[in-house]
Amino acid sequence: GENVEQHPSTLSVQEGDSAVIKCTYSDSASNYFPWYKQELGKGPQLIIDIRSNVGEKKDQRIAVTLNKTAKHFSLHITETQPEDSAVYFCAASNTNDMRFGAGTRLTVKP
Amino acid sequence: NAGVTQTPKFQVLKTGQSMTLQCAQDMNHNSMYWYRQDPGMGLRLIYYSASEGTTDKGEVPNGYNVSRLNKREFSLRLESAAPSQTSVYFCASIPRTGGNYEQYFGPGTRLTVT
Repeated sequence: GENVEQHPSTLSVQEGDSAVIKCTYSDSASNYFPWYKQELGKGPQLIIDIRSNVGEKKDQRIAVTLNKTAKHFSLHITETQPEDSAVYFCAASNTNDMRFGAGTRLTVKP
Repeated sequence: NAGVTQTPKFQVLKTGQSMTLQCAQDMNHNSMYWYRQDPGMGLRLIYYSASEGTTDKGEVPNGYNVSRLNKREFSLRLESAAPSQTSVYFCASIPRTGGNYEQYFGPGTRLTVT
């Protein structure tokens, strides 16, 4: 089955700096790659996703890139704000089986 | 819309006790999922129901059973709870229509087995 690895496990940045989280996956059949943000005591919430036929997608301060050949994808957050502090999960999916990375705890220091 | 709702929010069980976690969605989604979340391990799929009337095992199904009662409701049952099942359990649903695979998560159930 699919195996997703996520790095780093913790990330601390100054407000206004950029943050990058990277994931690799193992199953070349995976075709859907979402990113979730989880705040304390809540369920994960989708922030951006990308499909395998697209190399990059941007939504305001958030962008995701996908390299299918290398089987890795990344989340980029620019101009970070304290409210960006949360745990971020990447995932890879082919039909019903979605596998998640272990998560990255992002702390944005004011 | 309430989205995805889960009950209870918290539960403490003794080893060997049984219980059912309830999940309901009011978005007319076709597919529903149960995950467990443990520290440092992300979310792991326990069972899923691709459509009403079907259920399939995920990555970690042992010790659990599920029922897709109707299109809205998907329950998870622990027949004989074990300390290893202490975790936070999340239910999720997906429209799966029009190519929409976004998962909508409930708020979670925090389960402790002593």
